[in-house]
Amino acid sequence: KNEVEQSPQNLTAQEGEFITINCSYSVGISALHWLQQHPGGGIVSLFMLSSGKKKHGRLIATINIQEKHSSLHITASHPRDSAVYICAVRKPGADGLTFGKGTHLIIQP
Amino acid sequence: DTAVSQTPKYLVTQMGNDKSIKCEQNLGHDTMYWYKQDSKKFLKIMFSYNNKELIINETVPNRFSPKSPDKAHLNLHINSLELGDSAVYFCASSQGRTRNTIYFGEGSWLTVV
Repeated sequence: KNEVEQSPQNLTAQEGEFITINCSYSVGISALHWLQQHPGGGIVSLFMLSSGKKKHGRLIATINIQEKHSSLHITASHPRDSAVYICAVRKPGADGLTFGKGTHLIIQP
Repeated sequence: DTAVSQTPKYLVTQMGNDKSIKCEQNLGHDTMYWYKQDSKKFLKIMFSYNNKELIINETVPNRFSPKSPDKAHLNLHINSLELGDSAVYFCASSQGRTRNTIYFGEGSWLTVV
């Protein structure tokens, strides 16, 4: 079993819908990252969280350390949000990130 | 002005060859990484390099070797390429190893034939 699990694996929604992607992890962490990978392949860091909630534009990320769970929300989704969203954690004392398998999001016009 | 740049973006080569992928970051970061994304799009850490200290993921074959001529560069050398090395390789950097944002390069698509 992966140390970082994401759900759903695939998600197709209509433009304008509120999107939630979930991430659960089974290890202690020092930080959790949400990343976005577009079809062209480049990876962009969206958020880094160690507690609470962060917001950037239409994106909101939350983390519950006690429950070892994080969510990424997209409000008023748009076709340009179509991408793979990857949850990754940094374990204390570890180098690099441990990744989930990603959620493939498609927003249809 | 790209923060983390990798070259080449695409590389097709034959089994048994030796190849290198270059990475440069202009963010002034002290830590650089190489990640591998396999055919199932799963990302995994290969190396991290901070202050001349190299940490290697134990699953990485010793045919792979990172080389850092200076703090802004971490190049990836691969000897005796195998079919299974075909993947996308991402360079990344951050300030420190623990709680800072990681910046990724655009990826280098390696195909071994």
